[in-house]
Amino acid sequence: QVQLVQSGAEVKKPGASVRVSCKASGYTFTAYYIHWVRQAPGQGLEWMGWINPTSGDTISAQKFQGWVTMTRDTSIGTAYLDLNRLKSDDSALYYCARGGMIPGAPDAFDIWGQGTVVTVSS
Amino acid sequence: SYVLTQPPSVSVAPGKTARITCGGNDIGTKSVHWYQQKPGQAPLLVIYYHSDRPSGIPERFSGSKSANTATLTISRVEAGDEATYYCQVWDSSSEWVFGGGTKLTVL
Repeated sequence: QVQLVQSGAEVKKPGASVRVSCKASGYTFTAYYIHWVRQAPGQGLEWMGWINPTSGDTISAQKFQGWVTMTRDTSIGTAYLDLNRLKSDDSALYYCARGGMIPGAPDAFDIWGQGTVVTVSS
Repeated sequence: SYVLTQPPSVSVAPGKTARITCGGNDIGTKSVHWYQQKPGQAPLLVIYYHSDRPSGIPERFSGSKSANTATLTISRVEAGDEATYYCQVWDSSSEWVFGGGTKLTVL
């Protein structure tokens, strides 16, 4: 069964950092891009960036450049999203999603993780 | 940056046809994908490349596009189709863009 399983909810204070993990199973981890998507409470979907699990290359949305770091550990089939200098309005649900095959054209997100709630509060 | 415009809400009676639009400049030249998100759940891909259905998605879901508008059509709407629907495209600026989402209410 192809799935992405994310780490559990996090509560952080303003200024702190957080790491969200996304473990892939049921397919070859290095064969597909992994994307990260943010959803603020009651709001829509916002693409944050993607990582090529084969090379480790990343592209971040302009809005998130310099704030997010995407990495991966191919030995355990897991992608990571690091968020730095958290603010209260970074409180949101963060999803990972599987994109297209590598190499290949940008493709739809066909598998999604269950989401990780990050709450930033003093 | 590229903008996709969706109506905030669409209402339809059970058994009728719902049409959800997604407007964008020259969207007809782009590949459009559609996602369904029910409360408390992750998004689910329902249409890719503007008209293809993933395995397991009912034939009642279909997609189309014209020069500046893509449309998700849901035929014979059921109560279980009530959800928020998002369109998505890949923009030439190397970013993925989502529409703001349309909440489908089944009356």
